[in-house]
Amino acid sequence: RKEVEQDPGPFNVPEGATVAFNCTYSNSASQSFFWYRQDCRKEPKLLMSVYSSGNEDGRFTAQLNRASQYISLLIRDSKLSDSATYLCVVTLGGYNKLIFGAGTRLAVHP
Amino acid sequence: DVKVTQSSRYLVKRTGEKVFLECVQDMDHENMFWYRQDPGLGLRLIYFSYDVKMKEKGDIPEGYSVSREKKERFSLILESASTNQTSMYLCASSPIAGGPGTDTQYFGPGTRLTVL
Repeated sequence: RKEVEQDPGPFNVPEGATVAFNCTYSNSASQSFFWYRQDCRKEPKLLMSVYSSGNEDGRFTAQLNRASQYISLLIRDSKLSDSATYLCVVTLGGYNKLIFGAGTRLAVHP
Repeated sequence: DVKVTQSSRYLVKRTGEKVFLECVQDMDHENMFWYRQDPGLGLRLIYFSYDVKMKEKGDIPEGYSVSREKKERFSLILESASTNQTSMYLCASSPIAGGPGTDTQYFGPGTRLTVL
């Protein structure tokens, strides 16, 4: 079983749509949680951290459910520029060692 | 802005060659990492370093070694390149653990290595 699992997609949505991604992690000792974004042929970049209370950054909302060991990302009012692969990431603490999911691809079309 | 640079964007090598991939960061970060990224598998950690001359194996260290002689530079070495090491290699750095935001890793642009 993979440590971090994501639906690979692709999710094809029209502009303006709301789309949600889920991710599950296997290690209950995981301490920190993130969503990274990776554009085609580019490096991953931090999109947002995920906190237990849930957090929002503009059109993006992240939620963490520790009991069920899943993390979600909600994107409202999708833009063409949101097209990318979204990577779910957890850490076990220590030396900032990150564990990546394989990513969920989002394609927003006009 | 944090800047992480990698020596090459594209590299083509032959089987059996020794390959050096260089990574430099300019933010005085203690931690540096080497990953490879393959379709469907995501990023997998090869090695990481939390201090000069210190290194730790990641999840897939076989066939690789690393060197960190200076804080800003972390090198990945393929002792004898093989075709199954054809991949995208990504370097990252982060500050020492502890406190909000310090788990964030900053990535270089990647090196796409092809081994023929």
